[in-house]
Amino acid sequence: DAGVTQSPTHLIKTRGQQVTLRCSPKSGHDTVSWYQQALGQGPQFIFQYYEEEERQRGNFPDRFSGHQFPNYSSELNVNALLLGDSALYLCASTGGEETQYFGPGTRLLVL
Amino acid sequence: DAKTTQPPSMDCAEGRAANLPCNHSTISGNEYVYWYRQIHSQGPQYIIHGLKNNETNEMASLIITEDRKSSTLILPHATLRDTAVYYCIVRAHGSGNTGKLIFGQGTTLQVKP
Repeated sequence: DAGVTQSPTHLIKTRGQQVTLRCSPKSGHDTVSWYQQALGQGPQFIFQYYEEEERQRGNFPDRFSGHQFPNYSSELNVNALLLGDSALYLCASTGGEETQYFGPGTRLLVL
Repeated sequence: DAKTTQPPSMDCAEGRAANLPCNHSTISGNEYVYWYRQIHSQGPQYIIHGLKNNETNEMASLIITEDRKSSTLILPHATLRDTAVYYCIVRAHGSGNTGKLIFGQGTTLQVKP
């Protein structure tokens, strides 16, 4: 049984560009949460998707948007990239038992 | 802000038990205590969670005080591979709760040979 998967593993972009990160949840899970982890900090909640809708959002600007597909996979989009968006982006999925399981993350570097 | 307080760092000798404390004095009745760990540059790994009873699984034991204001994660025989940042998090279960996790700075556990 595959766990949470994310792609790509690493990404380099320049300021002003746009990026899309992808997440496939653990089998049987229907809820996907996204987190941003800056170097040396704990993960910060971006938003959560359930039934293809954003259910809760953290303190992140509108440049951060997402989508959930009918198969429960999810995308995180970031527009107009800033240097400060460089971070590890983590996806976590949840099923009926309510425990969140994390993927390996996507390391984004903005130059 | 995180609702938990943890020491920033701890050392443990390989083969000995590692006891990681966590203070959550403002925990609510419907909030569970969760522990995750994060090995360098990897995604956080779920370890264990509990409400009020002590819990044990193949990775660790969780001891929650009777007043639920603090807890201790116990790794019974620490190995070098247990070196990681350990996060203690409280979150509510049930309908109406999205269960977003609020991470603090965690405890960096260094297991030494």
